[in-house]
This record gives sequence, structure tokens and C-alpha cells, in this order.
Amino acid sequence: DAGITQSPRHKVTETGTPVTLRCHQTENHRYMYWYRQDPGHGLRLIHYSYGVKDTDKGEVSDGYSVSRSKTEDFLLTLESATSSQTSVYFCAITTSGGPYNEQFFGPGTRLTVL
Amino acid sequence: GENVEQHPSTLSVQEGDSAVIKCTYSDSASNYFPWYKQELGKRPQLIIDIRSNVGEKKDQRIAVTLNKTAKHFSLHITETQPEDSAVYFCATSSGSARQLTFGSGTQLTVLP
Repeated sequence: DAGITQSPRHKVTETGTPVTLRCHQTENHRYMYWYRQDPGHGLRLIHYSYGVKDTDKGEVSDGYSVSRSKTEDFLLTLESATSSQTSVYFCAITTSGGPYNEQFFGPGTRLTVL
Repeated sequence: GENVEQHPSTLSVQEGDSAVIKCTYSDSASNYFPWYKQELGKRPQLIIDIRSNVGEKKDQRIAVTLNKTAKHFSLHITETQPEDSAVYFCATSSGSARQLTFGSGTQLTVLP
């Protein structure tokens, strides 16, 4: 499982509340990613990080922010959750140091916004 | 940005038959093409990948082919078994941070 954990694994919250999801890795990988998975859309990239304090936006970044203050943790924050952000969120890391990336996923967090 | 299209969205085969899933992509700079298998309620698992300097790769019953000129790649599963039933995703990689762009997935059902 490439040493990736996510917390919480399940969360139910209400519209307008802030939510933070945590991704933790134990193997000192440089690249980390947040995806969301919705039926019919596959996995879509929200934000990614290429080092401590180095982050960038993905395809569906509106309404999300991220932070990476240390190598092992990558946090995804929904400042004010909306029902459209109900989804399964996966964190991923890249193991390869070369030009080809083998990307491995965490167990996922199922978020429901009521 | 990159656009990846995957077909078919659902596929049913008899046990022992072959299954083929196809993907096309738009970014000619894409250089890495992984395939993931996702069982219900689980995380996507990398099952095979191919790099841009290779045309075909096999791993037991699974093979992937790549046609860079036509910008398409395919997953082939032979002698399918019920445990092959899952959702399969293709993806491409481009960009300095090796971001992946995924297809929308194929639900494969292997009928006993």
C-alpha cells in the first residue's frame, strides 16, 4: 500500500462547514496528489504537491485548498463544504524518481455533505 | 489540457473469453500509460503500465499495446476469470509533476 494512510475514512458534514482531509505517507515520497472520484467521471485531480510548501492546482481545484508543511502530510481543505463536494477522495503518491511515475493510492475518504 | 477517452463503459464476457478496453488521448507529450483495477469499495490498484518507447507489454494474462502515432492504447485480458470483474481505468501522464489524467472507466463483468 506504499505506506499511505488517509483520515478520516468516512465523514458526514453539513453544507457550509469547513472540512480537512489528511493524507499521510511514511516513505518520504516527493510527489503527492489529491483526486476525487465520482460516478461516470473516473478520477479527477484536485491539487498536487511536488515538495514541502510546493503545490499546484489540478483540473477541479475550485472550492479546495491544500497545504504541505512537511514531507509526510498533505492536507486537503474544503473551506465551506457544498453538496457538490460529496465524493470519494483519494490521495496518491509517486514512487519513481525518473520521468515515469508509478502512482499508488491511499484507501480513500468517503465524504458526504448534507 | 489532456483528454482521455475510454471505451466501452461496460463490458460483459463469458469466463475464459478475452476482454479488450481501449483508450485514446490528446496530448502528444504524454509518455506513460498505466492501467488501474478498482474493486468495489477499494482503492485503484496499478496492474500494468507501458512507457512511450515501448509498443507492447505482457504480464501473464494481461497485455497493453500502445500506438503513439494514433494516440491510442489498449488493455487486453485473456482467459478471463470471475475475479477479473472490476472497474478498469486507463490513464496518461504528462507535466513536470507527473500528473495522471484518467479515463472514465470500464465496468468489466466476467460471467461464470
